[in-house]
Amino acid sequence: GAVVSQHPSWVICKSGTSVKIECRSLDFQATTMFWYRQFPKQSLMLMATSNEGSKATYEQGVEKDKFLINHASLTLSTLTVTSAHPEDSSFYICSGRKTGDNYGYTFGSGTRLTVV
Amino acid sequence: QKEVEQNSGPLSVPEGAIASLNCTYSDRGSQSFFWYRQYSGKSPELIMFIYSNGDKEDGRFTAQLNKASQYVSLLIRDSQPSDSATYLCAVNIRYGNKLVFGAGTILRVKS
Repeated sequence: GAVVSQHPSWVICKSGTSVKIECRSLDFQATTMFWYRQFPKQSLMLMATSNEGSKATYEQGVEKDKFLINHASLTLSTLTVTSAHPEDSSFYICSGRKTGDNYGYTFGSGTRLTVV
Repeated sequence: QKEVEQNSGPLSVPEGAIASLNCTYSDRGSQSFFWYRQYSGKSPELIMFIYSNGDKEDGRFTAQLNKASQYVSLLIRDSQPSDSATYLCAVNIRYGNKLVFGAGTILRVKS
């Protein structure tokens, strides 16, 4: 089955620094990558949608200059949290989908970010 | 109105019973509907999806879709303690072809 490898699985960083999260589709070409954030005891909230080679589309209320998304290839998408603050501490999850597959949303294993 | 709504629970059922989870959605043009299970600290895992009105069965799980009433449900037969988790309903919103999640229902199966 389709696999999305997400790294790191957890990271602790100091306030004001930047953190990069990577998602790689191992056995399919993820033309679209969705990035979600999940706070404790809450559901997944979609942050942005990125298509390979295009700029990401951000959901309302998500700062595009703070959460930089790069989807330069069909197998790699990255999310960089810039100038991280404690309120950015959350569980970040990516989900890849290939062209024409309306039902195949493959989730990464998630990244637990803690900003201290 | 939220795009996808679920009762947060917790829903408690005894082992061996049927657990019934419900979800409603607001976008009448939504095409496909998904049920995920999420254990604490883990990523969601797909249980099944449905896109046609009626029932769809997969092992102990049955998804039911009623587009006219804009609801989708998940039945879990012969519930096991290992089924204890948060169940997330997700809807493929027509605009942007993106998955929008409900808040999730906590299920507790007691042995």
